[in-house]
Amino acid sequence: NAGVTQTPKFRILKIGQSMTLQCTQDMNHNYMYWYRQDPGMGLKLIYYSVGAGITDKGEVPNGYNVSRSTTEDFPLRLELAAPSQTSVYFCASSYIGTGAYEQYFGPGTRLTVT
Amino acid sequence: QQPVQSPQAVILREGEDAVINCSSSKALYSVHWYRQKHGEAPVFLMILLKGGEQKGHEKISASFNEKKQQSSLYLTASQLSYSGTYFCGTEERGDNAGNMLTFGGGTRLMVKP
Repeated sequence: NAGVTQTPKFRILKIGQSMTLQCTQDMNHNYMYWYRQDPGMGLKLIYYSVGAGITDKGEVPNGYNVSRSTTEDFPLRLELAAPSQTSVYFCASSYIGTGAYEQYFGPGTRLTVT
Repeated sequence: QQPVQSPQAVILREGEDAVINCSSSKALYSVHWYRQKHGEAPVFLMILLKGGEQKGHEKISASFNEKKQQSSLYLTASQLSYSGTYFCGTEERGDNAGNMLTFGGGTRLMVKP
């Protein structure tokens, strides 16, 4: 199992450009998440998905969009990039049944907007 | 509102013990602990559930006080590999179950030889 994979690893965008961050998991997890982590800070939830075709906003969704057409893939779209979106972006996945389950994180995408 | 972690940073010598605390103002269903090394992704350590169930790393222990909505992570006989930033993530599970975590600001731990 590769686990959770993310591409690209690094990206520099100019203000106003758009891009899509890719995330794929091969663990057949039903839940997937996008977080951002600013330098020296904790993780903040951007969007999450409880299954294919179902997504919902997290704590900081403004400026981002997501879609989930398959169980495996959960891309994050940045429209009209702004310097405030400079951050490290982590995708995570989890299997949810009864009880509580750990989240598995991808390696992250480091994004700089200048 | 994010949970509050304390201390913000701690420096240990190898073999020493440390306690990291996580406190929330909300009623919690579970508390998750993760460790993140510089430039890497967070790695799961432990989950503590309301009702006393625990799941996680053999060599790491933690507690969850449901009345106070506080959790503590206990690192004993620290090793160099324990260095990193520790995050707690808290989960309130209401009608919309789903493992949504709110993370604290982190505790930086450095273990020196």
